[in-house]
Amino acid sequence: EPEVTQTPSHQVTQMGQEVILRCVPISNHLYFYWYRQILGQKVEFLVSFYNNEISEKSEIFDDQFSVERPDGSNFTLKIRSTKLEDSAMYFCASSDLEDSPLHFGNGTRLTVT
Amino acid sequence: GDSVTQMEGPVTLSEEAFLTINCTYTATGYPSLFWYVQYPGEGLQLLLKATKADDKGSNKGFEATYRKETTSFHLEKGSVQVSDSAVYFCALSKVGSNYKLTFGKGTLLTVNP
Repeated sequence: EPEVTQTPSHQVTQMGQEVILRCVPISNHLYFYWYRQILGQKVEFLVSFYNNEISEKSEIFDDQFSVERPDGSNFTLKIRSTKLEDSAMYFCASSDLEDSPLHFGNGTRLTVT
Repeated sequence: GDSVTQMEGPVTLSEEAFLTINCTYTATGYPSLFWYVQYPGEGLQLLLKATKADDKGSNKGFEATYRKETTSFHLEKGSVQVSDSAVYFCALSKVGSNYKLTFGKGTLLTVNP
């Protein structure tokens, strides 16, 4: 069965550094999403992306975050200047239609020191 | 705003025991309700869903019934297996925004042989 793949599985970075989290959605999917889960807290919606633009974003998704689909297969989340509170598990997801079930990746654990 | 509350874990059961994981929600309108499961080292997978009151979602022996009068969507399984050990997440989404999920905190289930 096709899968959403995320790399790396774990990334450690220093506060103030830029990080890029990478995702390869399922190949025929058109809708892409990022969620995150801070340790011990709920999984939260960050952003949805369709047709090369953001379709919706949460209040968490401020100016330090950006998303991009740089080619036909990758979908990235960039955090410009990481803060300690950005430490979390970040999940990428994709779907073929807007109302279809989401397929999630295994997540990238980001640790900001 | 919308929210999902699920029972605190961890839950530890013996094989073949009966499982209930409680989930209640707060939302305006008529949300869709979901249970997602995360097996160790894997991403979130849709387990079952229900889109309207009194609907019963079922999959892999798990069931949950959408109860509007009690705003609940409790997950049940009659006889758990060791392979059911995972984290279970209850979630909701609004009509027309199935991608924007509001999750509960997750409940860790461990099934011992």
